[in-house]
Amino acid sequence: DAKTTQPPSMDCAEGRAANLPCNHSTISGNEYVYWYRQIHSQGPQYIIHGLKNNETNEMASLIITEDRKSSTLILPHATLRDTAVYYCIVRVGTDYKLSFGAGTTVTVRA
Amino acid sequence: DSGVTQTPKHLITATGQRVTLRCSPRSGDLSVYWYQQSLDQGLQFLIQYYNGEERAKGNILERFSAQQFPDLHSELNLSSLELGDSALYFCASSGAGGAWNSPLHFGNGTRLTVT
Repeated sequence: DAKTTQPPSMDCAEGRAANLPCNHSTISGNEYVYWYRQIHSQGPQYIIHGLKNNETNEMASLIITEDRKSSTLILPHATLRDTAVYYCIVRVGTDYKLSFGAGTTVTVRA
Repeated sequence: DSGVTQTPKHLITATGQRVTLRCSPRSGDLSVYWYQQSLDQGLQFLIQYYNGEERAKGNILERFSAQQFPDLHSELNLSSLELGDSALYFCASSGAGGAWNSPLHFGNGTRLTVT
């Protein structure tokens, strides 16, 4: 099954855009990229997902490269409340479940 | 608020005991998933139900069982509890339309402490 690679941690300045990279070089054509975050032991929170087109919602933007081997989650104006572990997940085929990796710990600093 | 409700929020029990965790999915969602998160293991998928039927099984121990009722709420039963079962247990739901790529929405979990 397709797997993702994310940096273990990154810092971001409050008010600046946070760009979170994710590699998924073995992704297949019908597999979606999902992003979730988990704030300090709360339940994982859905952020956004996409197949091949860029997507935007009220929380973030998702940029997927043309070859679909990588993606970037963009938080346009990071706040202290965006400090969390961010998970990039490729949903495999018709597998309903999501498989979480280690994610990226994002710390937003004032 | 994800719309997924889990009870209780906290549970403290002794080794060897049995507990039941409850989950109410978002209105209209047919799928329920259970995940376990312990300090050293990350989020591990346990089991999924869809409209009352078991659909997928992950790393769920034989001492653990789950079911989904006709009103779509789900219960996770943990028996013969061991210290290592101490963890956060999350429920998620998805798929009011049944589409396999519907996002999962998670509750805020039950923190189980086994002493």
